[in-house]
Amino acid sequence: AQSVAQPEDQVNVAEGNPLTVKCTYSVSGNPYLFWYVQYPNRGLQFLLKYITGDNLVKGSYGFEAEFNKSQTSFHLKKPSALVSDSALYFCAVRALQTGANNLFFGTGTRLTVIP
Amino acid sequence: KAGVTQTPRYLIKTRGQQVTLSCSPISGHRSVSWYQQTPGQGLQFLFEYFSETQRNKGNFPGRFSGRQFSNSRSEMNVSTLELGDSALYLCASSFSGGAIYEQYFGPGTRLTVT
Repeated sequence: AQSVAQPEDQVNVAEGNPLTVKCTYSVSGNPYLFWYVQYPNRGLQFLLKYITGDNLVKGSYGFEAEFNKSQTSFHLKKPSALVSDSALYFCAVRALQTGANNLFFGTGTRLTVIP
Repeated sequence: KAGVTQTPRYLIKTRGQQVTLSCSPISGHRSVSWYQQTPGQGLQFLFEYFSETQRNKGNFPGRFSGRQFSNSRSEMNVSTLELGDSALYLCASSFSGGAIYEQYFGPGTRLTVT
């Protein structure tokens, strides 16, 4: 079975400060990990993914994530937060069955960037 | 390139009715997945279609069904609607069925069952 956990329902950060949104995963074998962002009344937008290779993955809008196998974590980071980054963030892991394409999502973390 | 489109965007139905939602994937994408998003259960996988075949199914009752057409467009149907079916239904497409390909989501259809 595979799952992800987002331990924080809410993260508040001041504009200009670095932000971190946490995610831990549980899978058998190698994980395929993803981050998505959701703005109000919108679908999910893809930010970045980890498949293999470099543990530091760079994505859209200045976001990056660090894959840590020993800690089974895939935290999302940004060096300097913008008010426009305020949204709901989801971590997801891919199912491992051959050909299966569905994602298992965390419960989401609401990020609020305070001006 | 146009994104994933879903129609209708909003829908209000009465308990016991049925509903059909439509999804047009990004051009060239052959895999279409459907998810249900609710405040209580979060994002849950419904099913995935690839080349007109249902390849994977989540843990939902048989009232939830879907299909995919030869042009990769997909529909999902919910019969005998229940109040608990009120949710945002998201469609996602990807280039192929490979696990490395990210999914691109549509804006969703907001279904309200009264």
